[in-house]
Amino acid sequence: QSVLTQPPSVSGAPGQRVTISCTGSSSNIGAGYDVHWYQQLPGTAPKLLIYGNSNRPSGVPDRFSGSKSGTSASLAISGLQAEDEADYYCQSYDSSLSGYVFGTGTKVTVL
Amino acid sequence: QITLKESGPTLVKPTQTLTLTCTFSGFSLSTSGVGVGWIRQPPGKALEWLALIYWDDDKRYSPSLKSRLTITKDTSKNQVVLTMTNMDPVDTATYYCAHSQGDDILTGYYNWFDPWGQGTLVTVSS
Repeated sequence: QSVLTQPPSVSGAPGQRVTISCTGSSSNIGAGYDVHWYQQLPGTAPKLLIYGNSNRPSGVPDRFSGSKSGTSASLAISGLQAEDEADYYCQSYDSSLSGYVFGTGTKVTVL
Repeated sequence: QITLKESGPTLVKPTQTLTLTCTFSGFSLSTSGVGVGWIRQPPGKALEWLALIYWDDDKRYSPSLKSRLTITKDTSKNQVVLTMTNMDPVDTATYYCAHSQGDDILTGYYNWFDPWGQGTLVTVSS
């Protein structure tokens, strides 16, 4: 039902760089609304990772970076660590729905 | 430090009305640009935004659930209440409340959610 599509899973070895895509449309990301990213560790509440497309809250390592272009956004994790194994969600606003939308979620596995 | 905590029943019967309370500290819902949102997550599934109430009492609801949801705030008690009518087993989920803010306090279009409460699991079963 989500209007923001993410790959179900991505994986990488420790130290590698992985990227997670978030594909939307002209009524959300393509309309210029910001994309925010959340990390959800197993059994815990989501935590804000990136806000306003590319800004990191205080305390978030600079290994995490966000970008946006057209109707898509991406989250990159460089120097992958075992503690990065979690689910990641993008979020934006949709003018057609007049509300907020979350992505389908991506599970990151550290090999 | 901002904290939020959800409270309410852990088990409801089909057709009943669910009432959840979010009690928060560390901010005021009368401050310009601030909001509190509700998001849920069925077991093993993705996050789903439900509703958000803003500092000026503006309210927004998920279109698919709008007819069943009501969100209200009590600024003096630092609480936000969400009610959902006609509960069904498919509504079984962990329900989270979260502080919300963004770069455009007039529209709320750029809001994000941070921090989140710990969540409360609500099971719908007879």
